[in-house]
Amino acid sequence: EPEVTQTPSHQVTQMGQEVILRCVPISNHLYFYWYRQILGQKVEFLVSFYNNEISEKSEIFDDQFSVERPDGSNFTLKIRSTKLEDSAMYFCASSGALRRSYEQYFGPGTRLTVT
Amino acid sequence: GDSVTQMEGPVTLSEEAFLTINCTYTATGYPSLFWYVQYPGEGLQLLLKATKADDKGSNKGFEATYRKETTSFHLEKGSVQVSDSAVYFCALSPRANQAGTALIFGKGTTLSVSS
Repeated sequence: EPEVTQTPSHQVTQMGQEVILRCVPISNHLYFYWYRQILGQKVEFLVSFYNNEISEKSEIFDDQFSVERPDGSNFTLKIRSTKLEDSAMYFCASSGALRRSYEQYFGPGTRLTVT
Repeated sequence: GDSVTQMEGPVTLSEEAFLTINCTYTATGYPSLFWYVQYPGEGLQLLLKATKADDKGSNKGFEATYRKETTSFHLEKGSVQVSDSAVYFCALSPRANQAGTALIFGKGTTLSVSS
């Protein structure tokens, strides 16, 4: 069964460093998403992406975040200058575009630790 | 804004016990409601959904009914198994049947079932 994959599973970085989290969505999906979960808190929406553009973003997704689909398979989240409060589990998801195909399929997550 | 509140965990049960995990929501308009499950080391998986009032979603013995009058979507299972041990997330989509819409999640409830 097709699945969303994410790499790495765990990333440790120092405050101020740039990180890139990678995701491979399901191959025929057209919408891509990033969510995050700070330990003990809710899963929060960051951004959705369609047709090489951001379609929706939350207040969390400020100028230090960016997303890209650099090729036909990968979808990345870049954090330019990490802060301690960026430590969280980051989930990638993808969905189709046809009616009845809106279900979002999630990857296993990348745990980001900023020290 | 729209939000989801679910009961705090952890929930600890013996095998074959009855399970209820409470979920209530706040939304303007007519959201779709979901339960996602996360097994250890895996991504969020859609467990069941309901798209309009009085709909009952069901899957793998789990059920939840969309109650507009009480703004609730409680998850139930008549007889839990050890393999049901996981984290359960209640979520809503503010704009039903529209691709690319952000999901709004509750904090998640950890279920631990012992034999």
